[in-house]
Amino acid sequence: GQNIDQPTEMTATEGAIVQINCTYQTSGFNGLFWYQQHAGEAPTFLSYNVLDGLEEKGRFSSFLSRSKGYSYLLLKELQMKDSASYLCAVRDRTGANNLFFGTGTRLTVIP
Amino acid sequence: GAVVSQHPSWVICKSGTSVKIECRSLDFQATTMFWYRQFPKQSLMLMATSNEGSKATYEQGVEKDKFLINHASLTLSTLTVTSAHPEDSSFYICSAMQGNSNQPQHFGDGTRLSIL
Repeated sequence: GQNIDQPTEMTATEGAIVQINCTYQTSGFNGLFWYQQHAGEAPTFLSYNVLDGLEEKGRFSSFLSRSKGYSYLLLKELQMKDSASYLCAVRDRTGANNLFFGTGTRLTVIP
Repeated sequence: GAVVSQHPSWVICKSGTSVKIECRSLDFQATTMFWYRQFPKQSLMLMATSNEGSKATYEQGVEKDKFLINHASLTLSTLTVTSAHPEDSSFYICSAMQGNSNQPQHFGDGTRLSIL
């Protein structure tokens, strides 16, 4: 099976940097995805890691360590519109390469 | 690119009604489409995976006779909730994937289903 853990809620200040952690346990790891989901809307793709290291995309970066079963999403220069849930999802080849989602981290950006 | 359209976005109907939700990939051919359900403040739970021209693969605990999935073409999958009851009220989201497993899933806007 899959076990994906992320903090339930986080609060950060506009303009700051925030790091959202995700730990996972899976038997057939085949990539990790981060999605952003605003309330009542569908998730939108942010980043993908399959090899160890940092992937940077504008204000968002994602890091992966496969040996530690650990990833983080880093958001820089926070804006109010970044208030949303951030979903960590692991692709498992033993699960037909389906995505398995964590419960999501609800980020609130305050002025 | 990679736009997925889901329709309808909101459904309110009486208990016992069957409801059909459509998921279309607008600018790419989706080899695989997925159907998820999300309850308030919870994460997405995969219901089933469908590949064009073959039967859907349902996750454990999901009744295939209640949630009928048809994947008639590379751009269209439908989910029919048969004889819906209030406990079926939820946010249903489809996603589509193009090509191999290195590609991300692209999500539709979701359908909010309310059964009275």
